[in-house]
Amino acid sequence: GAVVSQHPSWVICKSGTSVKIECRSLDFQATTMFWYRQFPKQSLMLMATSNEGSKATYEQGVEKDKFLINHASLTLSTLTVTSAHPEDSSFYICSAPTAWNEQYFGPGTRLTVT
Amino acid sequence: EDQVTQSPEALRLQEGESSSLNCSYTVSGLRGLFWYRQDPGKGPEFLFTLYSAGEEKEKERLKATLTKKESFLHITAPKPEDSATYLCAVQAADDYKLSFGAGTTVTVRA
Repeated sequence: GAVVSQHPSWVICKSGTSVKIECRSLDFQATTMFWYRQFPKQSLMLMATSNEGSKATYEQGVEKDKFLINHASLTLSTLTVTSAHPEDSSFYICSAPTAWNEQYFGPGTRLTVT
Repeated sequence: EDQVTQSPEALRLQEGESSSLNCSYTVSGLRGLFWYRQDPGKGPEFLFTLYSAGEEKEKERLKATLTKKESFLHITAPKPEDSATYLCAVQAADDYKLSFGAGTTVTVRA
């Protein structure tokens, strides 16, 4: 199957700082990528759709100024959590669809805000 | 709004004891129904995509089926390594994003 990577796999930051998470499709191109967050023992909640060459589309209730998304190329999307607070601590996961509509997920990034 | 309901929430099986997981859905036109496996602290692992009622797909001890209202994931003669949370997601005809169910956590005892 296709491979999607994320970096970093875990990060600890202080309240008020910003954190950038990278999502890469390693062996295929993706004009669209998706960002999810997952709280302990809960399912995945879609945050936004990342579109190469255009603005991201955010789900209702997700602050676009807090969660900045940039889809810089056909293999890279970044999520920046700005002015992070403890309530932003979560597991962030990206996914990318192949040309055959198989959506592959990255390994996730564990963010802890202290 | 798309809705996905998975049952049961948790399933404890003895090794070799076959069982089925259910995924009921409502969506305004189905593009695809996806099954994933997720281990603790990891991203979901793609298993299957089903597109139309009557379709079936198999992978090792797993078999997924689809009707117009629900999908089943059958686990045949499970082994302890099949222990994981199994997630179901639907994709509407007018979009490519996925809406997930809450998952079924399967524990297989040796």
